[in-house]
Amino acid sequence: EVQLVESGGGLVQPGGSLRLSCAASGFTFSDYWMSWVRQAPGKGLEWVANIKPDGSEKYYVDSVKGRFTISRDNAKNSLYLQMNSLRAEDTAVYYCARLYSFGWFDYWGQGTLVTVSS
Amino acid sequence: QSALTQPASVSGSPGQSITISCTGTSSDVGSYNLVSWYQQHPGKAPKLMIYEGTKRPSGVSNHFSGSKSGNTASLTISGLQAEDEAVYYCCSYARAGTWVFGGGTKLTVL
Repeated sequence: EVQLVESGGGLVQPGGSLRLSCAASGFTFSDYWMSWVRQAPGKGLEWVANIKPDGSEKYYVDSVKGRFTISRDNAKNSLYLQMNSLRAEDTAVYYCARLYSFGWFDYWGQGTLVTVSS
Repeated sequence: QSALTQPASVSGSPGQSITISCTGTSSDVGSYNLVSWYQQHPGKAPKLMIYEGTKRPSGVSNHFSGSKSGNTASLTISGLQAEDEAVYYCCSYARAGTWVFGGGTKLTVL
């Protein structure tokens, strides 16, 4: 059974940093693109970033470029999102998702809430 | 990276059919056969319902169907059931490794 479990969310002040983790199981993690998708409270879904199976390619939504870094450790079956220079508008539930065949998000974690507030 | 356009809400009675539209541009929906649809119940993670515009993953009921014409994709739910009440999001590949979602459509089953 495919499982994605996010962790690392919490309350952080504007300008602060946070690192999210996603533990994957039930599939060969190193074979798949992985993604982060976020959802601000009461709002819709927003794609944030993707990373290639070997980590050699990464893509970001414009609003987080230069502030967020997606990475992975295939030996640990884990995906990460390093978030720096956080802003109030980054407040959201962050979901880890598998990007199947670089085509669609077929499995999602339960999400972890990041709140940016003073 | 502008969001795809979806109606904010749709409604229908049990047994009826509804269609949710998703309008993009020639740079996303119109250029790629990579439109997917997601169902999200309150407090839950999104669930994949349609991929590549028209295909259903294993386990998704066949009363969900998808289509695409030009820059607009559509999700049709036939034979509405109470459990179909949820928010539905479309998503499309939008070049250069990026993806874009629609704003979401709240489906109310009357």
